Amino acid sequence: DVQLLESGGGLVQPGGSLRLSCEVSGFTFSSYVMRWVRQAPGKGLEWVSGISGTGGTKKYADSVKGRFTISRDNSKNTLYLQMKSLRAEDTAVYYCVKDGQAAPIYIPNFMDVWGKGTTVAVSS
Amino acid sequence: EIVLTQSPGTLSLSPGERATLSCRASQTVSSSYLAWYQQKPGQAPRLFIYDASRRATGIPDRFSGSGSGTDFTLTISRLEPEDFAVYYCQQYGSSPITFGQGTRLDIK
Repeated sequence: DVQLLESGGGLVQPGGSLRLSCEVSGFTFSSYVMRWVRQAPGKGLEWVSGISGTGGTKKYADSVKGRFTISRDNSKNTLYLQMKSLRAEDTAVYYCVKDGQAAPIYIPNFMDVWGKGTTVAVSS
Repeated sequence: EIVLTQSPGTLSLSPGERATLSCRASQTVSSSYLAWYQQKPGQAPRLFIYDASRRATGIPDRFSGSGSGTDFTLTISRLEPEDFAVYYCQQYGSSPITFGQGTRLDIK
């Protein structure tokens, strides 16, 4: 079974930092683009960031560019999201998501497996 | 970026009825690269449809997707109690990927 397990969420003050992790199993991690998608309380889905299978290409939503850094460790089957300069509007459930199709490069794609999510709350 | 607009915002129907959900794009979605997801309260989204009309693994055939260009539709032929949820469309024809704002399907 394909599984994605996020961790690292919590309560942080505005301006603070947090590092999310996503441990995966059940598929060849390095063959897939991986993404982070978030959902603010009572709101819709927002793509945050994506990374190619090798880690060589990284993309960010304008709302987080310059503050968030995505990375991956294919030897540990783990995806990361380093978040800095956090704002109240970053408060959300953050989902780790696997693309539906393996790809050698970074391409837009649908997503077939989602983690359960980890909650980030930014508040003083 | 492509903006997706879903309608209606809320749809109230009874079990056994037919549901039609719309997703309209601000520009053509390349190759009909459009997906639909279902989300229930407290749960992660679940892929239902991709490539506009292909059902994901395990999705019952009462769910069907159609459309091309800028207009896409998710149809549920006969609603079951477990179908009442929020549905999101997502385009992956161009970067960045974007989502619609969702349609809430409520029990009438």
